[in-house]
Amino acid sequence: GAVVSQHPSRVICKSGTSVKIECRSLDFQATTMFWYRQFPKKSLMLMATSNEGSKATYEQGVEKDKFLINHASLTLSTLTVTSAHPEDSSFYICSARDTSAYTFGSGTRLTVV
Amino acid sequence: RKEVEQDPGPFNVPEGATVAFNCTYSNSASQSFFWYRQDCRKEPKLLMSVYSSGNEDGRFTAQLNRASQYISLLIRDSKLSDSATYLCVVNMRGAQKLVFGQGTRLTINP
Repeated sequence: GAVVSQHPSRVICKSGTSVKIECRSLDFQATTMFWYRQFPKKSLMLMATSNEGSKATYEQGVEKDKFLINHASLTLSTLTVTSAHPEDSSFYICSARDTSAYTFGSGTRLTVV
Repeated sequence: RKEVEQDPGPFNVPEGATVAFNCTYSNSASQSFFWYRQDCRKEPKLLMSVYSSGNEDGRFTAQLNRASQYISLLIRDSKLSDSATYLCVVNMRGAQKLVFGQGTRLTINP
């Protein structure tokens, strides 16, 4: 089946620094990818929809200047958390759609200290 | 009102028991429905899609009632490996994004 590779799986960074997370579709092309955030014991919340070759669409309340999304090719989308703060610590998961199925990356656990 | 609502649980049941999860959705334009399973600190994985006619996959049975905007999942003869969080997920007609319920935690006890 379709595979979405996400890395890093875990990252610890200092407050004020930026972190880049990559999401790749390995055996299919994804014109659209989705970025979610999940806080402990909460469900996945969609942050933004990443569109190849155009600007991402952000959900209400998500700062587009803080969470930079780049989708430069049909197999790669990146999420950069800029000037990270402890409240940004969370589990970030990407997803891509292959025909009718949605496949998720393995997630990135970000801890900002 | 949340777009997708589930009983958060937790449900603690003995091995071999039958467990039922319920979910309601608020948008009548919803088109596709799924149950996902998420293990601790892992990504969600598709358990099964849900169809109006109802569908079964081994010990798992999913039902959809469009009139009531209600989705259910039944697990029979539960196993220890069924312990996870079960997420009710909905996709709106014409939209690509998925909307997740908060999940129901299930623990199967030996």
